[in-house]
Amino acid sequence: DTAVSQTPKYLVTQMGNDKSIKCEQNLGHDTMYWYKQDSKKFLKIMFSYNNKELIINETVPNRFSPKSPDKAHLNLHINSLELGDSAVYFCAVTGTSGSDEQFFGPGTRLTVL
Amino acid sequence: QKEVEQNSGPLSVPEGAIASLNCTYSDRGSQSFFWYRQYSGKSPELIMSIYSNGDKEDGRFTAQLNKASQYVSLLIRDSQPSDSATYLCAVGPMDSSYKLIFGSGTRLLVRP
Repeated sequence: DTAVSQTPKYLVTQMGNDKSIKCEQNLGHDTMYWYKQDSKKFLKIMFSYNNKELIINETVPNRFSPKSPDKAHLNLHINSLELGDSAVYFCAVTGTSGSDEQFFGPGTRLTVL
Repeated sequence: QKEVEQNSGPLSVPEGAIASLNCTYSDRGSQSFFWYRQYSGKSPELIMSIYSNGDKEDGRFTAQLNKASQYVSLLIRDSQPSDSATYLCAVGPMDSSYKLIFGSGTRLLVRP
């Protein structure tokens, strides 16, 4: 069983479109994250949810909107996609309660044409 | 601006050698420190975490933390070609128990 899964794995779309990326975890832990990794491999946090509540919201354009329908899911919706949004987006989950070790999903490679 | 700095490399070592990867951080109050390994096209994989000054060993990996000098290092003994990857240092700042700040990674090449 995969602890953290993401769909889709690859996403190719045109500028201006709206798209969503989904993340699911079966670890039963409370805190989930979205990270963006650019072409230079720099990994930067975007959002964090704890028990369906937004706790970290970094300086991210408001075209990006996370949604957590339940503790096991954290989705990322992106409106009006731009070329600069092309990157790999990783979902992550904090490990055991009280630990800040984070475990990453397989990533979604987004290409905006 | 909290920062985590790593030499981008590549660091090239022969098979069987010790690879030494270094990381410095700017937030003196940081409490938690992690090393992730990332193969090309894959997601970061946690390999070591360290919270106290000193050394922590796990198999061929040793993490070293020196809070006074604000650096953390990773030693890989008996390096194997399969260790070739990018190693990301991550630091948990004092003002957030959830947020990790990542360095840009050091690319390690182990020559057969």
